[in-house]
Amino acid sequence: AQSVTQLDSHVSVSEGTPVLLRCNYSSSYSPSLFWYVQHPNKGLQLLLKYTSAATLVKGINGFEAEFKKSETSFHLTKPSAHMSDAAEYFCVGGSQGNLIFGKGTKLSVKP
Amino acid sequence: DGGITQSPKYLFRKEGQNVTLSCEQNLNHDAMYWYRQDPGQGLRLIYYSQIVNDFQKGDIAEGYSVSREKKESFPLTVTSAQKNPTAFYLCASQRSGLIGSYEQYFGPGTRLTVT
Repeated sequence: AQSVTQLDSHVSVSEGTPVLLRCNYSSSYSPSLFWYVQHPNKGLQLLLKYTSAATLVKGINGFEAEFKKSETSFHLTKPSAHMSDAAEYFCVGGSQGNLIFGKGTKLSVKP
Repeated sequence: DGGITQSPKYLFRKEGQNVTLSCEQNLNHDAMYWYRQDPGQGLRLIYYSQIVNDFQKGDIAEGYSVSREKKESFPLTVTSAQKNPTAFYLCASQRSGLIGSYEQYFGPGTRLTVT
């Protein structure tokens, strides 16, 4: 069975410091993995996607994620947080016929 | 300007009334989806449609109905049978294939409040 676990429900960082949002997955097959961002009362916006072409995936707004099969992880990182990064982030795992959303991680950015 | 539109952004209804949420896309995507989002519960799939005139129940279809008469449009009706309809509703589309095959694109959402 496939599952996606976001290890932190809330992460708080200071502006200008690195961001790390953690996601573990389990899947019998090689999954597609996505990170989405949601600002309050808005829809979800795709940040990046992994579809087995390259393990390090670069996305929009300076975010990137690395697929590590040995650790079953797909953590989202950004070198330097900006106030506008404050939002909720969803890790999503997909395979043929199945799409699993993580519960979300709320990122707060302090000035 | 391609994308997905949902209307209205906020909707208020009295208990016992049916209400229809609109979702339109001009991305030429085959598949469309409706999700419900509640605080702390992530997204849950209500209904989806992979092709015109066909749709499937998701995980929480009870109390909801949909239609897919046109490729661009996938309206969701929240019926009076839905016990707890107050939520944020998100519509999404995917270019083709089974759910999970490709990334989904989301609309801005409709916040429904039923009192």
